[in-house]
Amino acid sequence: DAGVIQSPRHEVTEMGQEVTLRCKPISGHDYLFWYRQTMMRGLELLIYFNNNVPIDDSGMPEDRFSAKMPNASFSTLKIQPSEPRDSAVYFCASSFPMNTQYFGPGTRLTVL
Amino acid sequence: EDQVTQSPEALRLQEGESSSLNCSYTVSGLRGLFWYRQDPGKGPEFLFTLYSAGEEKEKERLKATLTKKESFLHITAPKPEDSATYLCAVQGANFGNEKLTFGTGTRLTIIP
Repeated sequence: DAGVIQSPRHEVTEMGQEVTLRCKPISGHDYLFWYRQTMMRGLELLIYFNNNVPIDDSGMPEDRFSAKMPNASFSTLKIQPSEPRDSAVYFCASSFPMNTQYFGPGTRLTVL
Repeated sequence: EDQVTQSPEALRLQEGESSSLNCSYTVSGLRGLFWYRQDPGKGPEFLFTLYSAGEEKEKERLKATLTKKESFLHITAPKPEDSATYLCAVQGANFGNEKLTFGTGTRLTIIP
């Protein structure tokens, strides 16, 4: 298996622009997770899905953040409008139920 | 709320100098404690899952142990390629919970 795939790997944008991050989970995994990693706060869970349905979005910082999973093989995390404090590395992970989460390579987002 | 504290924040060892990393946790019922390794610019890579106090798991120069309050990652005769950030995470036993709560990690440097 190719593992979790994320795109783009790097994104540089200006404040106020819309940013869309993409994730393809491991085939067959029921759960998909979006995390954000910063030096100050470490790795934080933003939202997770089960069978394409959002289960817990309590980690989503503001209404500027939204996530969708239109099918079992694709998810997006959107930030609109972006702000400099959104600069971080965003990871997607996937898993079977009650099982190990496998992470993608991450998207490094820089908002100028 | 689940909490994970890792210590030390950073550790520098000479090649061959054994040591241990600590992960202290509080959780309302533990389903699993996870150790991940993260190299710069990459996503976390799964190492171990521990489920109950007294359990131990080994992989090459690494051994993870678990008590009711903490976990240790013992590194025996480390090599430079063991240099990485080691992350600890817990998953609570609440029904339907798939969330992982991560510590901020220990950055390990092995000096040749």
